[in-house]
Amino acid sequence: GNSVTQMEGPVTLSEEAFLTINCTYTATGYPSLFWYVQYPGEGLQLLLKATKADDKGSNKGFEATYRKETTSFHLEKGSVQVSDSAVYFCALIPWAGGFKTIFGAGTRLFVKA
Amino acid sequence: DGGITQSPKYLFRKEGQNVTLSCEQNLNHDAMYWYRQDPGQGLRLIYYSQIVNDFQKGDIAEGYSVSREKKESFPLTVTSAQKNPTAFYLCASKPRTSGREDEQFFGPGTRLTVL
Repeated sequence: GNSVTQMEGPVTLSEEAFLTINCTYTATGYPSLFWYVQYPGEGLQLLLKATKADDKGSNKGFEATYRKETTSFHLEKGSVQVSDSAVYFCALIPWAGGFKTIFGAGTRLFVKA
Repeated sequence: DGGITQSPKYLFRKEGQNVTLSCEQNLNHDAMYWYRQDPGQGLRLIYYSQIVNDFQKGDIAEGYSVSREKKESFPLTVTSAQKNPTAFYLCASKPRTSGREDEQFFGPGTRLTVL
């Protein structure tokens, strides 16, 4: 079946450090891939997405590339800020059906000043 | 501004009582969803609806009920049959039911505590 696997957290970084959060998926065909962010006490909001192989999604300094050959969609940011502290969810919508989104377990990021 | 509203933000109930969580969207989205989130956990799908007057069970529907009488409203009732109802509940919507490239839009959540 379809699934998303994220690296376990928490991830703790110092401000201005480089961030990578790994995400791999299992799905047939070409799913659409998403990263959502959840700030403390809030709902999720879309961070970026990619709908075709080799597409790069980017937003607010974050980026992720859809790698079909490694079934991955790793999230990266060159220089994190304290305000980036949040939980990050990788997700997919299957190629065959669009009404359910499959979410990963989430990775908590702490950024220290 | 378009968006999803959930009320109340915090809700306290005694054990054995039913409680209804509100979810309203003015985005004209077809699909709506309810998720449960426990501390340090991911999202688990409770129910979803693709169209008015129709809804389907998600992965953890036992002890919950929903209705979809209007396109913009998708209330969730947590019944006394739900064994461990204390959690953070998130409502979401998506523009098109079968939109494979459509992201979900989330409300701010309701934190339910059963005493």
